[in-house]
Amino acid sequence: GQNIDQPTEMTATEGAIVQINCTYQTSGFNGLFWYQQHAGEAPTFLSYNVLDGLEEKGRFSSFLSRSKGYSYLLLKELQMKDSASYLCAALDSNYQLIWGAGTKLIIKP
Amino acid sequence: IAGITQAPTSQILAAGRRMTLRCTQDMRHNAMYWYRQDLGLGLRLIHYSNTAGTTGKGEVPDGYSVSRANTDDFPLTLASAVPSQTSVYFCASSHMGSTHTGELFFGEGSRLTVL
Repeated sequence: GQNIDQPTEMTATEGAIVQINCTYQTSGFNGLFWYQQHAGEAPTFLSYNVLDGLEEKGRFSSFLSRSKGYSYLLLKELQMKDSASYLCAALDSNYQLIWGAGTKLIIKP
Repeated sequence: IAGITQAPTSQILAAGRRMTLRCTQDMRHNAMYWYRQDLGLGLRLIHYSNTAGTTGKGEVPDGYSVSRANTDDFPLTLASAVPSQTSVYFCASSHMGSTHTGELFFGEGSRLTVL
């Protein structure tokens, strides 16, 4: 079956760095997305990776290893506003998105 | 209208009643989607439409129907609501080009409670 695994919850300190991991098992693979979702709000797009390697976008970076079925989202210089859930989603061979349950990130001062 | 709009934002409904959640986008996106989001679970696709006039079933389509009469609108109907349909419903759209990898733009969600 198809599956996305990511930690349920993580805690980090303001100003620090945190890495949120995601492993996926899909029928075929056409890329991996990360979305941010603040409580009570809609998900918003953060990143898309289809090739191996690191994509950097400001304080946020996303990494992909296709051979390992693994991705991570790296958040630097954490701010209180980064407290949110982070959703990992893989695009399968039929171009359907398979979603993880999300990682709730709690930032402490 | 800017982006994608859902209505209502919140609704309490008696079991057995019919309910339509509305979704409109003004970005001229080809593809539209309905998801439900439940605590502890990932977003689950209910129905989708790759272009006006076509629809398809997602992961959890039972009890729901959709229509796509034009590019902008994609309503979701619960013919006879049941308590297990209590959830937050998100409508989303994307520009599906040849790579089918367009990011999703989500509406603000409709919180539905079925009693």
